[in-house]
Amino acid sequence: GAGVSQSPRYKVAKRGQDVALRCDPISGHVSLFWYQQALGQGPEFLTYFQNEAQLDKSGLPSDRFFAERPEGSVSTLKIQRTQQEDSAVYLCASSLGLVGETQYFGPGTRLLVL
Amino acid sequence: AQSVTQLGSHVSVSEGALVLLRCNYSSSVPPYLFWYVQYPNQGLQLLLKYTSAATLVKGINGFEAEFKKSETSFHLTKPSAHMSDAAEYFCAVSDQSSASKIIFGSGTRLSIRP
Repeated sequence: GAGVSQSPRYKVAKRGQDVALRCDPISGHVSLFWYQQALGQGPEFLTYFQNEAQLDKSGLPSDRFFAERPEGSVSTLKIQRTQQEDSAVYLCASSLGLVGETQYFGPGTRLLVL
Repeated sequence: AQSVTQLGSHVSVSEGALVLLRCNYSSSVPPYLFWYVQYPNQGLQLLLKYTSAATLVKGINGFEAEFKKSETSFHLTKPSAHMSDAAEYFCAVSDQSSASKIIFGSGTRLSIRP
């Protein structure tokens, strides 16, 4: 079956540009997560949705970061006025939403801000 | 607050030798514990997870990990390394009280010598 897909896989942006990263979760998965992985580091939690409700956005580093999941399926992570420190791999994961359920990760979007 | 510490950012073993990747966690409540593997330019793949059913957890590709509450450890082992095991390995913890975020360690890069 289809796994989590993310697009684009690579994105180069000039500093100050806005970018939008898309995540298509596994069909039927209630929970959706975004993580940021800097070079040589482990992934760090950004935000979490259960269906269309954003239940936790404590990891978003600034108000330039915004995520949405309007219909409880596809999610978009938007970064406004990108900065060089935003360069990272952005990972999306989905799960059935039950406690302890495995999170399945997509391949990530590698963002480079010049 | 939950946290994970992976001892050794880089481990190198000979093909056929024992693999031991160390992980210690800190959690105020009984945790779920995970090991994920990341191959170059790929997303994270679950190797195994501990959910309190059994302290010795067997995963894919011959890996296993033992939960030791007294030592707050969840070390990953494999009896005989294979060249295809070369990858980045992440230990992670999540809160049993909710199906929310995972806290990752900083990762251990495993190299296999011929």
